[in-house]
Amino acid sequence: AQTVTQSQPEMSVQEAETVTLSCTYDTSESDYYLFWYKQPPSRQMILVIRQEAYKQQNATENRFSVNFQKAAKSFSLKISDSQLGDAAMYFCAYRSALDGGSQGNLIFGKGTKLSVKP
Amino acid sequence: EAGVAQSPRYKIIEKRQSVAFWCNPISGHATLYWYQQILGQGPKLLIQFQNNGVVDDSQLPKDRFSAERLKGVDSTLKIQPAKLEDSAVYLCASSRVRTLNTGELFFGEGSRLTVL
Repeated sequence: AQTVTQSQPEMSVQEAETVTLSCTYDTSESDYYLFWYKQPPSRQMILVIRQEAYKQQNATENRFSVNFQKAAKSFSLKISDSQLGDAAMYFCAYRSALDGGSQGNLIFGKGTKLSVKP
Repeated sequence: EAGVAQSPRYKIIEKRQSVAFWCNPISGHATLYWYQQILGQGPKLLIQFQNNGVVDDSQLPKDRFSAERLKGVDSTLKIQPAKLEDSAVYLCASSRVRTLNTGELFFGEGSRLTVL
């Protein structure tokens, strides 16, 4: 069974600085997706960034980028120029790309609570 | 495009009472998911539907939880009787069919249940 581990329960960053959130995962599959989702307090979870396992190039979305190390099964999120609105819970998630009953289910880590200091 | 709608947003009940949550996915999304998110943890899948059929309900506590998606659109999740450990946020999510799938799930705002 696949697992996702986020070893940082809480992180803090100064506004305009850069912060990196860590995520490791375990799987025997070769084809999968990895995601970072953001969940602000009492608001819906939204996708921050997505990485397909077959792509070697790291995904980037504006101030958000990932460091995807497939062999090490590591998927960290870097937030540059942090803003007050980035404060939220961040969840790393895994999704199989294979057909089958579990295809489509997201497996989440426990999350990292990010605080942004003005 | 309207997002995933859920209701109620908040519900407080006594243990052994029943509760129902409703979800309306994004139009055209064939796959619907119910997740349970206990405080301090990541969401855990309860049940996954493809149209009106169940794809995965292996982690649904079937002695007290039930879910249906009769017409392949909106869905209801019921808990009867509720236990203290059912206090959580219940998240509904939807996604496109596999062949068009970018891998992304779209989430509703969740229904927060408190069992006293």
